[in-house]
Amino acid sequence: QKEVEQNSGPLSVPEGAIASLNCTYSDRGSQSFFWYRQYSGKSPELIMFIYSNGDKEDGRFTAQLNKASQYVSLLIRDSQPSDSATYLCAVNGKKSNTGKLIFGQGTTLQVKP
Amino acid sequence: NAGVMQNPRHLVRRRGQEARLRCSPMKGHSHVYWYRQLPEEGLKFMVYLQKENIIDESGMPKERFSAEFPKEGPSILRIQQVVRGDSAAYFCASSLDSPLTDTQYFGPGTRLTVL
Repeated sequence: QKEVEQNSGPLSVPEGAIASLNCTYSDRGSQSFFWYRQYSGKSPELIMFIYSNGDKEDGRFTAQLNKASQYVSLLIRDSQPSDSATYLCAVNGKKSNTGKLIFGQGTTLQVKP
Repeated sequence: NAGVMQNPRHLVRRRGQEARLRCSPMKGHSHVYWYRQLPEEGLKFMVYLQKENIIDESGMPKERFSAEFPKEGPSILRIQQVVRGDSAAYFCASSLDSPLTDTQYFGPGTRLTVL
């Protein structure tokens, strides 16, 4: 079992729709969860982080964390073509206690005009 | 307020040569991380350093790879005797204060091509 799992996609949504990206993780002791966006050929760009169970909203983005189910998701409302990118879920590897991030493979999102 | 800086942005080496990748963290950041992204693969942790100390090198290949973060100057990732399989994007990230509670910001990366 991979430590952090994401559906590679592509996930295709029409412009203006809600895009839902999902991620599961295996280390029950994980503390910090991050969503990064990566455009092709570019570096990862932080979108959101979440530490506590529940929802966290920032503009069009909402991160959701459920530690009991070991599940974290990212919702993008009013999706725009410029949101088309690969979204990386990252989890702080608590076992090592060093801040090492463990990344999923990423989900490719395509927003069609 | 400059972000994480990496150079060179592109590096071409022939098999057997050495590659040196440099990373300057964001101002005030004392934690540096190196990640590697192979073509069509995810980001993999390599090493975590603080000034003059290697904290976690569990992701570093045992041979040919080394990293340092001296008291003065940038962090260096060094790859000796490069092979074609080393071709990848190498990203540096930095964070402020406690790495357990703070976020990592990534530099633009160095794209290494081994001929």
